[in-house]
Amino acid sequence: QVQLVQSGAEVKKPGASVKVSCKTSGYTFTNYYMHWVRQAPGQGLEWLGIINPNGPSTSYAQKFQGRVTMTRDTSTTTVYMELSSLGSEDTAVYYCAREPHGQAMDAWGQGTPVTVSS
Amino acid sequence: QAGLTQPPSVSKGLRQTATLTCTGNSNDVGYEGAAWLQQHQGHPPKLLSYRTNNRPSGISERFSASRSGNTASLTITGLQAEDEADYYCSAWDSSLSAWVFGGGTKLTVL
Repeated sequence: QVQLVQSGAEVKKPGASVKVSCKTSGYTFTNYYMHWVRQAPGQGLEWLGIINPNGPSTSYAQKFQGRVTMTRDTSTTTVYMELSSLGSEDTAVYYCAREPHGQAMDAWGQGTPVTVSS
Repeated sequence: QAGLTQPPSVSKGLRQTATLTCTGNSNDVGYEGAAWLQQHQGHPPKLLSYRTNNRPSGISERFSASRSGNTASLTITGLQAEDEADYYCSAWDSSLSAWVFGGGTKLTVL
């Protein structure tokens, strides 16, 4: 079955960077886009960007341009999201979510809590 | 970035019908329709429908989506206790080249 397994919780200091991984299995890795979405405590969903593993090409939300980098490793079918210059406002659960081309986010990782605190 | 507008909360009784709304503009909901996601507390979101009224396999027929102009709707019939959750709409914004989300609607089943 389709699985997206994310790396574990992170605690970072302001100004640091965090890199979250999303290990996929159960489907053809290069046939699906991968999104990254975050959810701050008690808040709604916020889109960070998307990577096409078959390329790779990326597109980032304007808000995160210059601060986010999405990469992939086809040999391990893993996608990565790195966010730099962290501030307290980046404290959130970060999700990877798969998209069949032209559809919507049909499978989600379990989420990775990231806490930014001095 | 711009977002979609959802009512913060809706309450309905068991076995009743709930209709949730999501308002955007011609660049997002009006462009390619909306997707709907369900999220239970402490869990990742789950896709209920995409491109307005396409249901992934395994999703109950009690969930149906529609669109009128720039407003998308999710109708849940025969409400069950397990339907109590947060519901989010999302859409591709062609002007921003970005996915946007609504703020979410908390559905309470009385």
